[in-house]
Amino acid sequence: DGGITQSPKYLFRKEGQNVTLSCEQNLNHDAMYWYRQDPGQGLRLIYYSQIVNDFQKGDIAEGYSVSREKKESFPLTVTSAQKNPTAFYLCASSIGAGSGANVLTFGAGSRLTVL
Amino acid sequence: GQNIDQPTEMTATEGAIVQINCTYQTSGFNGLFWYQQHAGEAPTFLSYNVLDGLEEKGRFSSFLSRSKGYSYLLLKELQMKDSASYLCAVTDSNYQLIWGAGTKLIIKP
Repeated sequence: DGGITQSPKYLFRKEGQNVTLSCEQNLNHDAMYWYRQDPGQGLRLIYYSQIVNDFQKGDIAEGYSVSREKKESFPLTVTSAQKNPTAFYLCASSIGAGSGANVLTFGAGSRLTVL
Repeated sequence: GQNIDQPTEMTATEGAIVQINCTYQTSGFNGLFWYQQHAGEAPTFLSYNVLDGLEEKGRFSSFLSRSKGYSYLLLKELQMKDSASYLCAVTDSNYQLIWGAGTKLIIKP
């Protein structure tokens, strides 16, 4: 079955540590996205990528970094520069971008807690 | 600024009908999505509207009025498994998705 796999599902981090969240898709989608979800707020876009070896900042990119070395993979690193990293992180993909009809397929999410 | 408004929480009874409203103010419009998200899980796609009118898909229907910046999701014959958050999202003129905060729907027996 095609889908998106995120890991780990739960992650605890000490302040000052970098952590990397994995996102792998086997849907052959060109576009991939990272969102952050906080209680009482809409999904906020961190980074997105429309093609391998290229990515763009979203609305809240500060303190985060990504790479897109393979079409299937779009890992997100939460750096120590991110002031409030505790959140639920969602990875998504779509066939393409630049269309109003792009349906997103989401991974199951990674919940990061900073101790 | 761009804004999407949805009620924070709604309660309905099993077997009944519920309507979840969404109003939007965005820079341009290229479509409106509804997603369902069970607690702690990934959002899943429910519907997409780009033209005015009602789109029906089984127990779920979605309506759009572009002139009013308004949409609703109608859920019929409610089941306990429909307890979830329902997210409204609009694609703006730059094809960026703007998300509402979601409506938590509680179904009571």
